[in-house]
Amino acid sequence: AQSVTQPDIHITVSEGASLELRCNYSYGATPYLFWYVQSPGQGLQLLLKYFSGDTLVQGIKGFEAEFKRSQSSFNLRKPSVHWSDAAEYFCAVGPYYGGSQGNLIFGKGTKLSVKP
Amino acid sequence: GAVVSQHPSRVICKSGTSVKIECRSLDFQATTMFWYRQFPKQSLMLMATSNEGSKATYEQGVEKDKFLINHASLTLSTLTVTSAHPEDSSFYICSVPGGGEEKLFFGSGTQLSVL
Repeated sequence: AQSVTQPDIHITVSEGASLELRCNYSYGATPYLFWYVQSPGQGLQLLLKYFSGDTLVQGIKGFEAEFKRSQSSFNLRKPSVHWSDAAEYFCAVGPYYGGSQGNLIFGKGTKLSVKP
Repeated sequence: GAVVSQHPSRVICKSGTSVKIECRSLDFQATTMFWYRQFPKQSLMLMATSNEGSKATYEQGVEKDKFLINHASLTLSTLTVTSAHPEDSSFYICSVPGGGEEKLFFGSGTQLSVL
């Protein structure tokens, strides 16, 4: 079955500390992987995506993610968290080619809180 | 700037009334748009695919007579929640496929509260 697992429902980190949000996926075909961020009452903003090439991808706002095929993981990282990073983060997987472009499979999200 | 405009951002309505949500593609024409539903602390679930000039495609378990979708032009899709009930209260988000690698652009969402 195709699925995305974000094991951590809620993470709290101190401002300036490093961050890693975990994402594991199960997908039958070559995956197209995404991380989105959602602020309260807002839609989703794409942070970064991976479909091929260098397994370490850089995104906006200083985020990066590393694709590890052997572990079926696509963890999101940031070296130094800012208070404005507090939000909900969603990992998603979709078909690389073809298929319904709307049918991305989303994880349940990880809520990030940032302590001053 | 925003690629997808969704309106309204928040709506409160009485049980039994209908609510229309608009999704506009601002930068490009979209023959397809998507509607998602998100319950509190849950992930996004695809409800339906809106197709310009033809009927929408609904995901399993989504009532097509309750969630009416109209995609009358290449830049506008509307979702109408008919005879709304409190259990329809949720966050509704639309998305538009992007060209190339971007895949999807999301609207800012609509929080529907049915009293």
